[in-house]
Amino acid sequence: EAAVTQSPRSKVAVTGGKVTLSCHQTNNHDYMYWYRQDTGHGLRLIHYSYVADSTEKGDIPDGYKASRPSQENFSLILELASLSQTAVYFCASRDRGLNERLFFGHGTKLSVL
Amino acid sequence: GDSVTQTEGQVALSEEDFLTIHCNYSASGYPTLFWYVQYPGEGPQLLFRASRDKEKGSSRGFEATYDKGTTSFHLRKASVQESDSAVYYCALSVNNNNAPRFGAGTKLSVKP
Repeated sequence: EAAVTQSPRSKVAVTGGKVTLSCHQTNNHDYMYWYRQDTGHGLRLIHYSYVADSTEKGDIPDGYKASRPSQENFSLILELASLSQTAVYFCASRDRGLNERLFFGHGTKLSVL
Repeated sequence: GDSVTQTEGQVALSEEDFLTIHCNYSASGYPTLFWYVQYPGEGPQLLFRASRDKEKGSSRGFEATYDKGTTSFHLRKASVQESDSAVYYCALSVNNNNAPRFGAGTKLSVKP
């Protein structure tokens, strides 16, 4: 079974601080994604990547940066965390092909105080 | 841009009730459509998918038919169980390099 591991599972951050969320996959997948989950909004796409050392902006990239240093690792960086970034963040990977399914991690619950 | 609309935010049913969750999409090309299910404390997981008009996807008693004419992919189940309580997401992918987009999700609660 394909595996996506997110760390940490939960984090409390202070407003204005820097937060890094990490994602590691052992699926040998080229494509990786970061989504944000909020009640009433579902899963919204923040950043994604097709290949190592390259990232793309999703639908809500403002306030977030992404880094893909290798095929296996994909990080989401909040340089100046804000209250509005309190949410659950999911990382996912998938293989090439339009019909390919996403494999999700268990999520990171981020609380910004 | 490409998008998915789920009209029901929450659905509350009793066991053995019939379930319908509506999903409509808007896409620039010919999308593949997905239903994902998310249990508490976990990430979403694929329920099933369909990639052609009139194709039916199904799994665990749930089913949906791809309807290009009405741009819909409604989720149905004839008799729900308490264990079906979860959040259900409709999603689409338009082409290989296009990131999947999700609807707002529907929280299903089933009472015994």
